[in-house]
Amino acid sequence: GAVVSQHPSWVICKSGTSVKIECRSLDFQATTMFWYRQFPKQSLMLMATSNEGSKATYEQGVEKDKFLINHASLTLSTLTVTSAHPEDSSFYICSASPGEAPYNEQFFGPGTRLTVL
Amino acid sequence: DQQVKQNSPSLSVQEGRISILNCDYTNSMFDYFLWYKKYPAEGPTFLISISSIKDKNEDGRFTVFLNKSAKHLSLHIVPSQPGDSAVYFCAASFGSARQLTFGSGTQLTVLP
Repeated sequence: GAVVSQHPSWVICKSGTSVKIECRSLDFQATTMFWYRQFPKQSLMLMATSNEGSKATYEQGVEKDKFLINHASLTLSTLTVTSAHPEDSSFYICSASPGEAPYNEQFFGPGTRLTVL
Repeated sequence: DQQVKQNSPSLSVQEGRISILNCDYTNSMFDYFLWYKKYPAEGPTFLISISSIKDKNEDGRFTVFLNKSAKHLSLHIVPSQPGDSAVYFCAASFGSARQLTFGSGTQLTVLP
């Protein structure tokens, strides 16, 4: 149980285009989903926290107009990288929390590799 | 300011021996700690966790120890297997907040 999927797993796009990444909890309802990015050989950096039906909470330094997050249902959150540039190239990982004890536990998706040319 | 630190970027251990991965934290508000394992180009996989009311939690080959006074936790893997080779992240959270603060990770290599 507690499976989280991400789609696509790998995307290459041209600079200036927008890319949408989906995160789904397959066998549980996720009241909270998180979006992280990871640069090579570095830790996971939390970008934003999204709760179903409300606006996402962004971490300091993350542009909310550039990284649009929508958590429309208890099983789906999307991250849209708008007007992507090469510096946005990274590994994006989502996680989902079922909202029951231990409610600190998060289950991670397999990640999405974004390459912006 | 790194609130969760893993000072060893890498560790090599012989198969069958014990692997000890260390993690230090600075925020005394943290009350729940987790270890994740991560392979390249994959999301982290949950391994084991510990609440601050405990000082030890064991699950098969994995044991996590928590020393609150030293703000230090460690993950012991015994016996180590080549399949354990991965990056290990420790993470911490507090209260009902679900946000996790991750350490920078330790690359474990188990040599056959």
